[in-house]
Parts: sequence; structure tokens; C-alpha cells
Amino acid sequence: GDSVTQMEGPVTLSEEAFLTINCTYTATGYPSLFWYVQYPGEGLQLLLKATKADDKGSNKGFEATYRKETTSFHLEKGSVQVSDSAVYFCALSEGYGGSQGNLIFGKGTKLSVKP
Amino acid sequence: NAGVTQTPKFQVLKTGQSMTLQCAQDMNHNSMYWYRQDPGMGLRLIYYSASEGTTDKGEVPNGYNVSRLNKREFSLRLESAAPSQTSVYFCASSNSGGQRPQYFGPGTRLLVL
Repeated sequence: GDSVTQMEGPVTLSEEAFLTINCTYTATGYPSLFWYVQYPGEGLQLLLKATKADDKGSNKGFEATYRKETTSFHLEKGSVQVSDSAVYFCALSEGYGGSQGNLIFGKGTKLSVKP
Repeated sequence: NAGVTQTPKFQVLKTGQSMTLQCAQDMNHNSMYWYRQDPGMGLRLIYYSASEGTTDKGEVPNGYNVSRLNKREFSLRLESAAPSQTSVYFCASSNSGGQRPQYFGPGTRLLVL
């Protein structure tokens, strides 16, 4: 079945460092891809999404490009802030067929940014 | 516009007790979902409802039941709680179709002793 694999954390960076969190997927069909962020004690929030190959999702300085040839959707940010400390989840959803758009999540990557 | 709301925020149960987790959304979404989040496991789908009047099992449905009361509300019931059901439970909703993102509630933290 479909699956999502994220790099294991935790990831600890200094403020203003460059961030990459790797995400690869296995899917039949043509999934949509998402990054969600979970701040401490809160629910998940959509960070960005991409719905087809070569799409780039972006939000709040974060970017991810949907790479069909490498089945990847890596999350990047050029300069992280302390406020970016959170758990990041990569997820996929099948397109208009399949399981009504149910999300399949990676296990999450915890990011800590030190001042 | 409150988005997705969940009650209660925190609950302690004894083994064998029952309870219902409530979820409501005010975004007029067709689809609603229940997930559980456990350390190192990500989120796993328990049940979902693609539209009002329908419900389907997800990845980990055993020990749970759901009710799609109307378009806004989707409840999750534990008939006889077990320690293995200690978890954080999230409700989510979305418009129909796989390209639509899901919007999550703040979660219910459940401890079963």
C-alpha cells in the first residue's frame, strides 16, 4: 500500500540555519502531497501542499517541490527561527479515486531551533 | 468561524469504562476523520466519514465506533476502554476529493488506567 517515509529526528539547528527535512513516498496513482506542522500542545496545521508533479508548495518561508521521478517532497527553509520549533509531518492523499482522500502520514520529524 | 472543535480536551478513564469524544466543524465540509497519535507512530486513521450518513473503517478501527450525527458532527465512542487506547485523538474535516487538505481540531488527550 501507499506509504510515507520521513527522515528521523530530532533535528536541532541554530537560528538562521538552513533546514531540510527529507520525505519520500510510495503510491499508486497520482497523490497529492502535504506538509503539516504541529506546535507543542496543538493540533496539526497545513503548512503547504502540491497536487501534481513539479508543483512547488510554499508558505511562511518553507518550500517543497513535488518530484515524481524521485518520489520525494523534501521540506526546506533558508533561515529557521526559534518559532519554527515544532513537529513536521509529511503526508500524501490519493487523487480523485481510491480512498476518498484519506491522508497517509509519515511518523513526523521534531525540529528544535536554538537561539 | 471556530473551524474544528473537540471536547473534552483531556480525560482520564479506568479500564472498561466508556466515553464519547465529540467533534464539530463549521466549514460545511463533507468529509470528517478520526485519528490517533502515538509517540513514534505518526497519525493513524481510525474511522472516516466521506459524507453525511456514511462511515468507514480506517487503519485501526478495533475498539471504536463512530456516528456521523449530521454534516457538522462526528463522534467517536470507546465502549470499553483499554490501556492500549491511551493516546491523543484528533478529529479533522475536509471537502471531498483527495486534493483537498484536511483541517484538524486541537485534540483530546485520553489516559486509560
